[in-house]
Amino acid sequence: NAGVTQTPKFQVLKTGQSMTLQCAQDMNHNSMYWYRQDPGMGLRLIYYSASEGTTDKGEVPNGYNVSRLNKREFSLRLESAAPSQTSVYFCASRGQVSFYEQYFGPGTRLTVT
Amino acid sequence: GQQLNQSPQSMFIQEGEDVSMNCTSSSIFNTWLWYKQEPGEGPVLLIALYKAGELTSNGRLTAQFGITRKDSFLNISASIPSDVGIYFCAGQRIPGTYKYIFGTGTRLKVLA
Repeated sequence: NAGVTQTPKFQVLKTGQSMTLQCAQDMNHNSMYWYRQDPGMGLRLIYYSASEGTTDKGEVPNGYNVSRLNKREFSLRLESAAPSQTSVYFCASRGQVSFYEQYFGPGTRLTVT
Repeated sequence: GQQLNQSPQSMFIQEGEDVSMNCTSSSIFNTWLWYKQEPGEGPVLLIALYKAGELTSNGRLTAQFGITRKDSFLNISASIPSDVGIYFCAGQRIPGTYKYIFGTGTRLKVLA
């Protein structure tokens, strides 16, 4: 049982390049989330998916797109990376039994030059 | 965007001391979660609180859901070096929604 996994762990992009961050969970959770964490700040919600087939914007969605591929996987895409998107990105999922508890992946550290 | 206010921002304490930190908001919350994040890792859930006044422990950690529903507290007793990290609170404001708001974090350093 790996919990929430994210790939890649580190990535460096040039301005204007695109990439997709991958997230998968093996806990059979319905809800999944993408957050970004910047120095000295808490986590800010980018997008979330309440269930398979649905996605909604969070607090800071501009410059990002998401895909809930199936119940297990939730990907985050940067179409044209900008230096302001340099951050640590965390994926999380939320269970049904412990309804309000979110579980986080290890993060992807992205630098845009 | 809205974030929860956590205090203190950072703490340096001696091993064995007790630690207290809090999280406040101008809005009412229905659920409070406390997380710990170690360098290079994702946040790990420590304690979840579901109703006003609730007091819940997890080993040396105790958290409380404030009576006003606008705050929460985390205490760590007899701190040890492995308590080092950043502690975040998170809240769910509207029942049935799926969004959480996170605090700005309290950075804890323990001096052996």
